Amino acid sequence: AQKITQTQPGMFVQEKEAVTLDCTYDTSDPSYGLFWYKQPSSGEMIFLIYQGSYDQQNATEGRYSLNFQKARKSANLVISASQLGDSAMYFCAMREGEGTNAGKSTFGDGTTLTVKP
Amino acid sequence: GAGVSQSPSNKVTEKGKDVELRCDPISGHTALYWYRQSLGQGLEFLIYFQGNSAPDKSGLPSDRFSAERTGGSVSTLTIQRTQQEDSAVYLCASSPRGAGGPLYEQFFGPGTRLTVL
Repeated sequence: AQKITQTQPGMFVQEKEAVTLDCTYDTSDPSYGLFWYKQPSSGEMIFLIYQGSYDQQNATEGRYSLNFQKARKSANLVISASQLGDSAMYFCAMREGEGTNAGKSTFGDGTTLTVKP
Repeated sequence: GAGVSQSPSNKVTEKGKDVELRCDPISGHTALYWYRQSLGQGLEFLIYFQGNSAPDKSGLPSDRFSAERTGGSVSTLTIQRTQQEDSAVYLCASSPRGAGGPLYEQFFGPGTRLTVL
C-alpha cells in the first residue's frame, strides 16, 4: 500500500491567492515526521516545513502552513499569497521514527503547482 | 557551512559500464540517504545509512546496485553493468539523525544526472 498519497498531479492558482496541496499518509508507527519539499525546475530539493506526530499545533513557516489532521492522516500544505516563484513541484514525505521502518523516508509522487499572473 | 555535495554533477556512460557516484554529507550528520528520480517522477528510496551501517537496503533495485559509507561521512553508490533504465537523477540527502528521537529534515545535494547510452 502506498504510504504517501498526493492526489493532485497538477494545480493552478492565481497570483496572490491561497492554495492547498493535499497529502495523506499511512503508518502504524506512533512516532513519525511529515515534511514538505519544493523542487523548482532547477532540480534542487528545498525543505519547506515539518510536522511531528506529537506536535499539538500545526506547523507554520512564513507563507507556508501545514494543516495536520492526525485522525484523518492528512498533512495538507497551505501556501498563502501565492507568488510566481512558487511555481514548482511539491513533494510530501514521511519518515517513521520507530519499528522496522525507522529512519526510512517515503515520498509522494508530487504535485505540480503553476501560479498564474 | 557547506551543504551536501555530490559528484559528478553529470555522468554519461555506455551501457554495460560501471559507474560510481559520490556523496559528501553535511559534517556531523549521521544519517545519509540515496534516492533516484526519473524524469518527471517522484523520489524512489534506494538505501539509508545510520553511521556506516545500512539498516535498510530494501530500495536497491537489483544486485547491480551497491553502496557503502566509510568513516561515517562520504558515501559511494556503485552501479555495475549499467542499463538504459538506470538513467535518472541520483539524489543524496543527509540528516542529523535517522531512526529514533526527534525527526529532522533531510538536506539534499544537487544530484548526479546519470545518462546511460
